[in-house]
Amino acid sequence: SQQGEEDPQALSIQEGENATMNCSYKTSINNLQWYRQNSGRGLVHLILIRSNEREKHSGRLRVTLDTSKKSSSLLITASRAADTASYFCAREETSGSRLTFGEGTQLTVNP
Amino acid sequence: NAGVTQTPKFQVLKTGQSMTLQCAQDMNHNSMYWYRQDPGMGLRLIYYSASEGTTDKGEVPNGYNVSRLNKREFSLRLESAAPSQTSVYFCASSPEAEREAFFGQGTRLTVV
Repeated sequence: SQQGEEDPQALSIQEGENATMNCSYKTSINNLQWYRQNSGRGLVHLILIRSNEREKHSGRLRVTLDTSKKSSSLLITASRAADTASYFCAREETSGSRLTFGEGTQLTVNP
Repeated sequence: NAGVTQTPKFQVLKTGQSMTLQCAQDMNHNSMYWYRQDPGMGLRLIYYSASEGTTDKGEVPNGYNVSRLNKREFSLRLESAAPSQTSVYFCASSPEAEREAFFGQGTRLTVV
């Protein structure tokens, strides 16, 4: 078990719309991170939010974290065709320094 | 600055063969990780090394062994490959806890 879920599994939107992806988890965490993966490539880090933070911004990205609900969301505003990729959340667990990934959301942004 | 380098990029093995996947990072990072990614799925942690000289099991360690040879290198060994180990393998490193991870470009392994 990957001890977490992401939804939706797939999301298709038009360019200019906003995209929201959600991540839930079960363990205690030090931080939660979001990564992007273009088809056939390695993962690229987008943003990290610590367990004592509630919201973080980076450019068109906005991440929220609710540790009481054990959930996080990633919002991409004003999406572009180039944002088409898979997006993964990853939890750094408090027990050891394991970095554990969810199953990802496949985002398609149509021109 | 190469970052995280994985070799080989592609490999085909016959069932029962052994091989070692190599990973090296040039960023002086303490933590290193091995993941596998199956089609349409997320990454599953095989083994990780929080610091030089230590290794720990992840979610799916069966059938694999690892060696943290030094601070730079973290290798993954398949002693007797099985078709179920067909996957894309990613190595990653991070400086320390509470920091982002940097990924290699992956090794695509097929076991026939």
